[in-house]
Amino acid sequence: QKEVEQDPGPLSVPEGAIVSLNCTYSNSAFQYFMWYRQYSRKGPELLMYTYSSGNKEDGRFTAQVDKSSKYISLFIRDSQPSDSATYLCAMGHDSGGGADGLTFGKGTHLIIQP
Amino acid sequence: DAGVTQSPTHLIKTRGQQVTLRCSPKSGHDTVSWYQQALGQGPQFIFQYYEEEERQRGNFPDRFSGHQFPNYSSELNVNALLLGDSALYLCASGLGTLGFAEAFFGQGTRLTVV
Repeated sequence: QKEVEQDPGPLSVPEGAIVSLNCTYSNSAFQYFMWYRQYSRKGPELLMYTYSSGNKEDGRFTAQVDKSSKYISLFIRDSQPSDSATYLCAMGHDSGGGADGLTFGKGTHLIIQP
Repeated sequence: DAGVTQSPTHLIKTRGQQVTLRCSPKSGHDTVSWYQQALGQGPQFIFQYYEEEERQRGNFPDRFSGHQFPNYSSELNVNALLLGDSALYLCASGLGTLGFAEAFFGQGTRLTVV
């Protein structure tokens, strides 16, 4: 079992729809949860960062973390064609000697149809 | 404010050769991490540098080595290149040893080994 599971898609939705992206994980030590957006042939861009469980909202984006279920979500409201990209979830923890590197999912390819 | 910059953007090397990739962190950041992203996969953590020392390392062989300079810039060296080393190499910068928690990524160096 991989540490982080993410459906690669593609996920295709019409413009204006609410998009739900999800990841599950197996390592209960993870404390930090991030969502990145990556356009083709570009580096990942940090969208949302959450520490431990809970919700965080930023504009059209909402991130949710449920540590009891080992499940994280990213919701995109009023989706736009410019949101078409690959969305990567990433997780990390402090092992005591400093932070370990992030563990990423494979990414979900999202297509917003005009 | 310049973000994370990487050079070169593209590189073609022959199997068995050695390569050096370079990264300048975002202004004010002192931690640099390197990731390898194969096509269709999420980034995989190679190692992290802080205070000119390798602090954390992922599951990569000793052929992968690095360095951090007093100005916080960093190099990634890969020896005895294999075809499987072909990937996008990403540099991320942050602040302190928990700097990954809000890591900013560069555009990456696309390495092709032939």
